[in-house]
Amino acid sequence: DIQMTQFPSSLSASVGDRVTIACRASQSISTYLNWYQQKPGKAPKFLISSASTLQSGVPSRFSGSGSGTLFTLTIDTLQPEDFATYYCQQNFRTPQTFGQGTQVEIK
Amino acid sequence: EVQLVESGGGLIHPGGSLRLSCAASGFTLSTSYMTWVRQAPGKGLEWLSVIYRDGSTYYAESVQGRFTISRDNFRNTVYLQMNSLGAEDTAVYYCARDRGGESYWGIFEYWGQGTLVTVSS
Repeated sequence: DIQMTQFPSSLSASVGDRVTIACRASQSISTYLNWYQQKPGKAPKFLISSASTLQSGVPSRFSGSGSGTLFTLTIDTLQPEDFATYYCQQNFRTPQTFGQGTQVEIK
Repeated sequence: EVQLVESGGGLIHPGGSLRLSCAASGFTLSTSYMTWVRQAPGKGLEWLSVIYRDGSTYYAESVQGRFTISRDNFRNTVYLQMNSLGAEDTAVYYCARDRGGESYWGIFEYWGQGTLVTVSS
């Protein structure tokens, strides 16, 4: 299985900050990389596909980049509703696998 | 509007069986790829299984031989039959619809709210 590793595991930030989360795949996955946001007690929400394609309705302060084995999710001008846990996920091969998550907390 | 509603979770003894349901609305199940994903308490997400449009099924190694995914197109419902449950199966179980139309993409576009399964004596 392809292993996905996110870093950091958690971070503290303030409203208005720019936040970057990294995700590394154990082998090259081209751009078969997706990002999800999960708030406590809720289901994950699909944010970004193909490493950088924002889903309809997702604010433009979210962006994704990368290819091969290293990817990033950036949130510009962090908003109160962005405090959540973020997961990367590869869909290069079945079984699809997720990173362990990065929790974005309020500083 | 796409909606997925899971049910069937609860407390089950080790070694027991449970069947989860995922009622779908707002789209046609028979033309979709449906998956189950779980999340142990305080942990990350784990893909478990997919059922293709043609009925083909695939499983994670951790549940292969114990879990069975199936679909009732008439009831627009997907099921996950879980047997030989152990403490390690304690989790919230989500069903999700794949983004793919003609083929499986492995992108989970819509999620249900989840149902909690607790395996304990």
